[in-house]
Amino acid sequence: EIVLTQSPATLSLSPGERATLSCRASQSVSSYLAWYQQKPGQAPRLLIYESSNRATGIPARFSGSGSGTDFTLTISSLEPEDFAVYYCQQRNNWPETFGQGTRLETK
Amino acid sequence: EVQLVESGGGLVQPGGSLRLSCVVSGFTFNANGMTWVRQAPGRGLEWVSGISASGTTTYYADSVKGRFTISRDNSKDMLYLQMNSLRAEDTALYYCAQGWQWHDYWGQGTLVTVSS
Repeated sequence: EIVLTQSPATLSLSPGERATLSCRASQSVSSYLAWYQQKPGQAPRLLIYESSNRATGIPARFSGSGSGTDFTLTISSLEPEDFAVYYCQQRNNWPETFGQGTRLETK
Repeated sequence: EVQLVESGGGLVQPGGSLRLSCVVSGFTFNANGMTWVRQAPGRGLEWVSGISASGTTTYYADSVKGRFTISRDNSKDMLYLQMNSLRAEDTALYYCAQGWQWHDYWGQGTLVTVSS
């Protein structure tokens, strides 16, 4: 099973700042990595798939990069609605796995 | 509009069974793999099971293998998860999600509580 490790566990920033979230895989997942956003009481929302492709309707301030074992989700300028928990997910191999999440909180 | 609506959750004793259902609309169900993902209270996301568009291929997390069975009825746009021999650690909100690889659409979840 591929283990995804996200860092940091919690990120405290202010609106307008840049956020950089990391996801590291225990072995290569090629580019088969996605990012999801989850707000309290809501289902996850797909942001990025295949490492760098924005899902439908996702604002351009969200971008993803990386391949192999190291991936990054960048939010260029935080909006108030971006404060949430973010998960990475790999589907290079079965079983599909998720990272433990990064909580993005308001500073 | 895409909709996925789960049902069938509830309180069950350890060792008991439940059958979750997910009815979908707004996309071509029989062309999409489907997935169950769960989230224990206050915890992260855990993939549970996936099924191919035709239903001929299924995968399970080790934690549920042999106890849970995923299935689908493409004539009814329905996804199912039969859960047997339930344990306290199966307590979670269970989401159905569209997609065999990436999950564009999710339901709001159905809560399963395993407790005596």
